Amino acid sequence: EVQLVESGGGLVQPGGSLRLSCVASGFPFSSSWMHWVRQGPGQGLVCVSHINSDGSNTYYADSVKGRFTISRDNAKNTLYLQMNSLRADDTAVYYCARGGTGFGPWGQGTLVTVSS
Amino acid sequence: DIVMTQSPDSLALSLGERATINCKSSQSVLYSSNNKNYLAWYQQKPGQPPKLLIYWASTRESGVPDRFSGSGSGTDFTLTISSLQAEDVADYYCHQYYSTPCTFGQGTKLEI
Repeated sequence: EVQLVESGGGLVQPGGSLRLSCVASGFPFSSSWMHWVRQGPGQGLVCVSHINSDGSNTYYADSVKGRFTISRDNAKNTLYLQMNSLRADDTAVYYCARGGTGFGPWGQGTLVTVSS
Repeated sequence: DIVMTQSPDSLALSLGERATINCKSSQSVLYSSNNKNYLAWYQQKPGQPPKLLIYWASTRESGVPDRFSGSGSGTDFTLTISSLQAEDVADYYCHQYYSTPCTFGQGTKLEI
């Protein structure tokens, strides 16, 4: 079964850090571009970051540049998002997704809440 | 960045009716070398992740009912649901994967 499972979300204070993980199965992870997309409360979908198949090329939205770092471990079929200096406006459900012809599959999402 | 604009923002129809959702991109998402439109449509139900319905603007993802269809090229695209079912209540998003950053439309809420 093609599947992505995220973990690592939670409640964090402003200025804090979290590391999200996304474990892939059922498809060739090591040859897939991978994406993080977030959705704020009652909001739409926003592309946050992506990484190419071997990790040599990355992208960050301006809103997270310098604070977030995307990485991957192809031996573990795992995608990561290290989030530092978190702000209230980073509060969202974070989804990982496989890129290609559109995005699919998507993980179930992990909720990040930044609040004091 | 390519801006994706959907219309309408919300839509209320009856069972069995046809639903039409439009999506306009601020730049063409048609790649001339392969004549493909880098445009996808997603369905998102409450509490669930988005689900890919259509890619290349008109290719239905495996397992998606044939009442869902996509059309259009260049900058103007349409998602059509030919005969609404109760399970089609959801938010629908268009998405361009032609250029970085990828961008989504603001979403259309479909109610029955």
